[in-house]
Amino acid sequence: GQNIDQPTEMTATEGAIVQINCTYQTSGFNGLFWYQQHAGEAPTFLSYNVLDGLEEKGRFSSFLSRSKGYSYLLLKELQMKDSASYLCAVRKSNYQLIWGAGTKLIIKP
Amino acid sequence: GAGVSQSPSNKVTEKGKDVELRCDPISGHTALYWYRQSLGQGLEFLIYFQGNSAPDKSGLPSDRFSAERTGGSVSTLTIQRTQQEDSAVYLCASSFHGTSGQETQYFGPGTRLLVL
Repeated sequence: GQNIDQPTEMTATEGAIVQINCTYQTSGFNGLFWYQQHAGEAPTFLSYNVLDGLEEKGRFSSFLSRSKGYSYLLLKELQMKDSASYLCAVRKSNYQLIWGAGTKLIIKP
Repeated sequence: GAGVSQSPSNKVTEKGKDVELRCDPISGHTALYWYRQSLGQGLEFLIYFQGNSAPDKSGLPSDRFSAERTGGSVSTLTIQRTQQEDSAVYLCASSFHGTSGQETQYFGPGTRLLVL
């Protein structure tokens, strides 16, 4: 079966760092995506990992461990605009993505 | 176009009526995807197009759902005899190839469907 787990909700303080975890069990793995989705808007692409290790992109970094079926998204220097849901998705085949339910991140001043 | 567009942005309909949702992908993107997102849920895959062909229709919930794509561009998702459980946000995404590699999916703003 396919299973992607993320925490439902997290709260963090403006200026701080937060790590959002994603664990997966899928039959097939061809990479892992992180998307950001503001309320009432479409998901937008943040990062893609296919090899183990850390990918850094500005304030956002994403990590993957294929042997552990684990990824995290690290957000630094949090801003109020980072309040959104963060979706983890595993590419199972050439085109098929399996999506987690998303983690709602609440940033407090 | 500059991005994926969808219409209508909102649709309220009565149970039993048919609805048609439209998606206009990014120009040049050969792959097109339809998803459904219910409140607090992850994205549920519905169907995938490569050009005008739909190699994978496995996500369509029932035979009331159908989709087509013409000219390798615009796609329509049709829901016949709508039911209240069809209420959700229907998202369309497109990508350049969808056959291998990263092929990031770019999403449209979605159609919010409410069946009364």
